[in-house]
Amino acid sequence: GAVVSQHPSRVICKSGTSVKIECRSLDFQATTMFWYRQFPKKSLMLMATSNEGSKATYEQGVEKDKFLINHASLTLSTLTVTSAHPEDSSFYICSAREMTVDTQYFGPGTRLTVL
Amino acid sequence: GQNIDQPTEMTATEGAIVQINCTYQTSGFNGLFWYQQHAGEAPTFLSYNVLDGLEEKGRFSSFLSRSKGYSYLLLKELQMKDSASYLCAVRDRGTGANNLFFGTGTRLTVIP
Repeated sequence: GAVVSQHPSRVICKSGTSVKIECRSLDFQATTMFWYRQFPKKSLMLMATSNEGSKATYEQGVEKDKFLINHASLTLSTLTVTSAHPEDSSFYICSAREMTVDTQYFGPGTRLTVL
Repeated sequence: GQNIDQPTEMTATEGAIVQINCTYQTSGFNGLFWYQQHAGEAPTFLSYNVLDGLEEKGRFSSFLSRSKGYSYLLLKELQMKDSASYLCAVRDRGTGANNLFFGTGTRLTVIP
């Protein structure tokens, strides 16, 4: 099946620093990738839709200047959490849409802890 | 908007059958997905329904009724490793990007 990787899997950073998370589709091209966050025992919340070569579309309430998304190629999207605060601590998950079966496949997630 | 409901928790016995229901309301329905998520891990794809009826995949089956806004995931011959959260997600073409919107998930506990 389609494989999506995320790096890093875990990151701990100090408040005020920026953290970059990479999402890669390993064996297919993804014109669209999605970024979600998930708090403990809660469902996935869509943050933004990332389209290759164009600006990301952010969901209501998500600060685009804080969560920078770049989709530079058909296999890579990055999410940068800028000036991180403890309330940004969460599980961030990306997914990539595989067009031939029109299904989203998820990466393994990145657990961010901001001290 | 989207309104997706599923039970918060369920418990079932190893070897038994369990049905997890999901109801939804959405303006631009374009498919329903079921995902399995173990604690601390990302969701894994289980099934996809876009037409009415039953889709069977080994021990897992998923059913859809578009007129009723209803789906269920059926798990047979339960195993301890099936203990996980099961997420119902609806794809909505109304957003323009065919985004997925998730229910809160059903936490299934399989007991011996």
